[in-house]
Amino acid sequence: AQSVTQLGSHVSVSEGALVLLRCNYSSSVPPYLFWYVQYPNQGLQLLLKYTSAATLVKGINGFEAEFKKSETSFHLTKPSAHMSDAAEYFCAVRGDSGYSTLTFGKGTMLLVSP
Amino acid sequence: DAGVTQSPTHLIKTRGQQVTLRCSPKSGHDTVSWYQQALGQGPQFIFQYYEEEERQRGNFPDRFSGHQFPNYSSELNVNALLLGDSALYLCASSLGITGELFFGEGSRLTVL
Repeated sequence: AQSVTQLGSHVSVSEGALVLLRCNYSSSVPPYLFWYVQYPNQGLQLLLKYTSAATLVKGINGFEAEFKKSETSFHLTKPSAHMSDAAEYFCAVRGDSGYSTLTFGKGTMLLVSP
Repeated sequence: DAGVTQSPTHLIKTRGQQVTLRCSPKSGHDTVSWYQQALGQGPQFIFQYYEEEERQRGNFPDRFSGHQFPNYSSELNVNALLLGDSALYLCASSLGITGELFFGEGSRLTVL
């Protein structure tokens, strides 16, 4: 079965600093991987996805993620944090059944200080 | 173009009661999935509906049931509510069972 582990329930950065949110996956087949963002009292918004094409994936709002098979990782980065990036971020892996069902990590809350 | 809409946005129930949550998919989508997000946790898959049938189901008891209507909208029903059912319930729609998921803003259920 597929699973993802997000390291760090909370990450704090200063505005303008590098953002790095970690995600490791476990999958018996080549995975489809996703990063979602959730602002307070809102649903999930897709940031980016990896579907076995380019290993470096660019998403919305300046975020990107690199798929590293050797490390089973799919870490999310942004060169310069903005106050508006403060939110909860979820890494997810798609199941191997062919359905679009996702298995999510527990999430990482990103805190951005001025 | 309307996205995924859910109702109600908030509701409070007591233990043992029953609840029905509703979801209208994004225009053009025909598949609806439901997820439960407990406080401080990631969303967990409940089930997926396509062509008015349950196609996949996660590890949830039979107290959780659903329905899909001919217009592709869906309901999630939970019977005999427990305190642990308190959560944000997210609906996601897609085009087909393999399509990309688009999420609604959720229905927050509090069970007292």
